[in-house]
Amino acid sequence: QQQVKQSPQSLIVQKGGISIINCAYENTAFDYFPWYQQFPGKGPALLIAIRPDVSEKKEGRFTISFNKSAKQFSLHIMDSQPGDSATYFCAASMDSSYKLIFGSGTRLLVRP
Amino acid sequence: NAGVTQTPKFQVLKTGQSMTLQCAQDMNHNSMYWYRQDPGMGLRLIYYSASEGTTDKGEVPNGYNVSRLNKREFSLRLESAAPSQTSVYFCASSEWGAGTEAFFGQGTRLTVV
Repeated sequence: QQQVKQSPQSLIVQKGGISIINCAYENTAFDYFPWYQQFPGKGPALLIAIRPDVSEKKEGRFTISFNKSAKQFSLHIMDSQPGDSATYFCAASMDSSYKLIFGSGTRLLVRP
Repeated sequence: NAGVTQTPKFQVLKTGQSMTLQCAQDMNHNSMYWYRQDPGMGLRLIYYSASEGTTDKGEVPNGYNVSRLNKREFSLRLESAAPSQTSVYFCASSEWGAGTEAFFGQGTRLTVV
């Protein structure tokens, strides 16, 4: 049973636009929500992460918005660049756990 | 600093053959993981090792075995490969558990024919 649902499956954005990827989770015990970025032929790499004690976290052009009551979180990429073209995965886990549950991924293409 | 190193990068197996995927990390991490990545399904946890000397099943353990050889090395074994095990396999490590940053290797693309 998939516990983290991610949408959209793919996304095309013009350079300079805003990319938005959404995730929803079921397990209210989750307390760690990272986003991973993966380029073709490479392993995923941590992009940004949030814990439920804050509603938003920003690192450069990347922002996570977190809605605990709705059990949803999203990644916003401002001023999207062609170099941002990659697959993005949301994930969730409990701090006390060893199981990181991934969403199905979003393939982002930023057109020049 | 190499991070997480996986070998081999590519492998083709015939149904029924066995093989071992090797993984080593040089970050002194306690926890190590094996994931498989399939189109449209994200990454799914096969097995993990919370710390040296321990291993546990993840979401999709059937058909696999693991060995935590020491703190650095964590191997994944396919005893009798099946076409359903065609996938990209990733090893990862983290300082301690799923609440800390996971560092991934480059992956092994395995095809079972």
